[in-house]
Amino acid sequence: AQSVTQPDIHITVSEGASLELRCNYSYGATPYLFWYVQSPGQGLQLLLKYFSGDTLVQGIKGFEAEFKRSQSSFNLRKPSVHWSDAAEYFCAVVTPDGWGGADGLTFGKGTHLIIQP
Amino acid sequence: EAGVAQSPRYKIIEKRQSVAFWCNPISGHATLYWYQQILGQGPKLLIQFQNNGVVDDSQLPKDRFSAERLKGVDSTLKIQPAKLEDSAVYLCASSADRRSGGYTFGSGTRLTVV
Repeated sequence: AQSVTQPDIHITVSEGASLELRCNYSYGATPYLFWYVQSPGQGLQLLLKYFSGDTLVQGIKGFEAEFKRSQSSFNLRKPSVHWSDAAEYFCAVVTPDGWGGADGLTFGKGTHLIIQP
Repeated sequence: EAGVAQSPRYKIIEKRQSVAFWCNPISGHATLYWYQQILGQGPKLLIQFQNNGVVDDSQLPKDRFSAERLKGVDSTLKIQPAKLEDSAVYLCASSADRRSGGYTFGSGTRLTVV
């Protein structure tokens, strides 16, 4: 079964500084990869996704992520954070060929992003 | 397009009581998922429906949890009897095609069991 590790529970970044959130996955092949953001009391919003092809993926709100097969990683980056980026960020994976059509997402535990003024 | 609708938004019950959550997916989405998100953790898949059939319920605690999607549209998740450890946010999501990245989540139901 696949698993996702987000090693940083909390990250604090100053407004205007760059951001990198780490995500590592465990799976025999390359899964489909996703980053979601969750604001307090809200559902999950998709930031970006990777299926195949170009390993640098652009998403919404100025976010990007880079898939590195050799490191089984899919780290999320933003060049300059805004106070409104404060939220919980989740990395998630799904197998391209789930048995019987099973394709529910497997999530990491999340990284809580704090923005300092 | 309208999003995934869930109700209620909040529910407080005593342990051993029963509770039900409702989800209406995006129109035309054949696949519906229920996730449990315990505070401080990522969502965990409970069950996946394709139309009105169950595709994956391997992580559903079947001794107390049940779910149905009778007409292949909206769905109900039930807990009976509830335990303290069931306190969580229950998220519903729907998808037309995973390659399109179309997993759309509802805002969830926050359950507190006291």
